Amino acid sequence: DGGITQSPKYLFRKEGQNVTLSCEQNLNHDAMYWYRQDPGQGLRLIYYSQIVNDFQKGDIAEGYSVSREKKESFPLTVTSAQKNPTAFYLCASAKGARVETQYFGPGTRLLVL
Amino acid sequence: AQSVTQPDIHITVSEGASLELRCNYSYGATPYLFWYVQSPGQGLQLLLKYFSGDTLVQGIKGFEAEFKRSQSSFNLRKPSVHWSDAAEYFCAVGPTGGGNKLTFGTGTQLKVEL
Repeated sequence: DGGITQSPKYLFRKEGQNVTLSCEQNLNHDAMYWYRQDPGQGLRLIYYSQIVNDFQKGDIAEGYSVSREKKESFPLTVTSAQKNPTAFYLCASAKGARVETQYFGPGTRLLVL
Repeated sequence: AQSVTQPDIHITVSEGASLELRCNYSYGATPYLFWYVQSPGQGLQLLLKYFSGDTLVQGIKGFEAEFKRSQSSFNLRKPSVHWSDAAEYFCAVGPTGGGNKLTFGTGTQLKVEL
């Protein structure tokens, strides 16, 4: 089955710690996205990548970093600079850089200890 | 700047009743419009989309939406709601800048009374 997987489902971060959220897709999609979801605020774009080895900042990139070394993978690192990381993180992918439907993974909930 | 407004934060309907969720957008050109649904603790699932053509679009699970350019609206409808429709619904518009970016509304939480 083709789809998007995110791991872990829950992640706990200690103060000053960097944590990495995994996102993998086997849809052969070129574009991938990371969103942050907070109650009552909808989805906000953190980073996106249209092609391997290239990515752009979204609306709330501060405190986050990404890499895109493989087409299938787009991991997100929440750094210690992100002072309020508690949220639900969603990864999505789309076929290309034109407007295409974005398909979402199941999400990772990040909590701060 | 592009924006999406979902004016209803919460809506409660009885099972079997009709449903309409409102979505208004601000966009400088012909928009691409989407409705997604999210069950608690899950990712988003596409219900339907409008790119061009017929302004009444059919989606999955018996949902439909109508694009009204004059009203800048893309309201989601369902003639008879089922208890399993209880979820959060998001309207989105794109592209908002390069890279196929979408702008999402803040969502409408649907509760279904049995």
